[in-house]
Amino acid sequence: AQKVTQAQTEISVVEKEDVTLDCVYETRDTTYYLFWYKQPPSGELVFLIRRNSFDEQNEISGRYSWNFQKSTSSFNFTITASQVVDSAVYFCALRRIGDSGYALNFGKGTSLLVTP
Amino acid sequence: DTEVTQTPKHLVMGMTNKKSLKCEQHMGHRAMYWYKQKAKKPPELMFVYSYEKLSINESVPSRFSPECPNSSLLNLHLHALQPEDSALYLCASSQPPGTQVTGELFFGEGSRLTVL
Repeated sequence: AQKVTQAQTEISVVEKEDVTLDCVYETRDTTYYLFWYKQPPSGELVFLIRRNSFDEQNEISGRYSWNFQKSTSSFNFTITASQVVDSAVYFCALRRIGDSGYALNFGKGTSLLVTP
Repeated sequence: DTEVTQTPKHLVMGMTNKKSLKCEQHMGHRAMYWYKQKAKKPPELMFVYSYEKLSINESVPSRFSPECPNSSLLNLHLHALQPEDSALYLCASSQPPGTQVTGELFFGEGSRLTVL
């Protein structure tokens, strides 16, 4: 069985603060994908990043960075110098690699509010 | 701009109505998905089509009827819905699992359905 846990339900920060969104996953698969998606109030799920289980390199994209730690089954997401436009619900998700890997298993999401 | 287009964006229907949600993608993806999302919850998988054939039906009630007329289009026919079916319906596409792919799903903006 696969499971994704996002323990933080809601986070509120003031603009320019750094914020880290936690994601812990469980899977018996040895190979899998991990994702982060952003869902602004408009509703669309915006793909942010994919990480393969065999690639533990951390990644930085502008103000966004991701820390993948296979040893602790965590895939945390940090926003540096947050902005009001970062306000959204963020989902971490897990997907099998291979023929049976259709479904994305989502965490419950973390609602981030960035205030001016 | 999203490359997965859903229409209509908003739909209000009575319990005796028949309506359809439509989804279109032009990314050459051969897997298409319907997800249902209730407020403050993660998306839940409903159906998956792979190469225009229904691959997954997550025990969805028969009042929801999917259709995949071709590789670019996905419909969801609605009939005799209940008020509890009110939700955001998200369409997504990807390359099918098992192919040499990057793994992420691309989502549309969703169709917000209200059943009276």
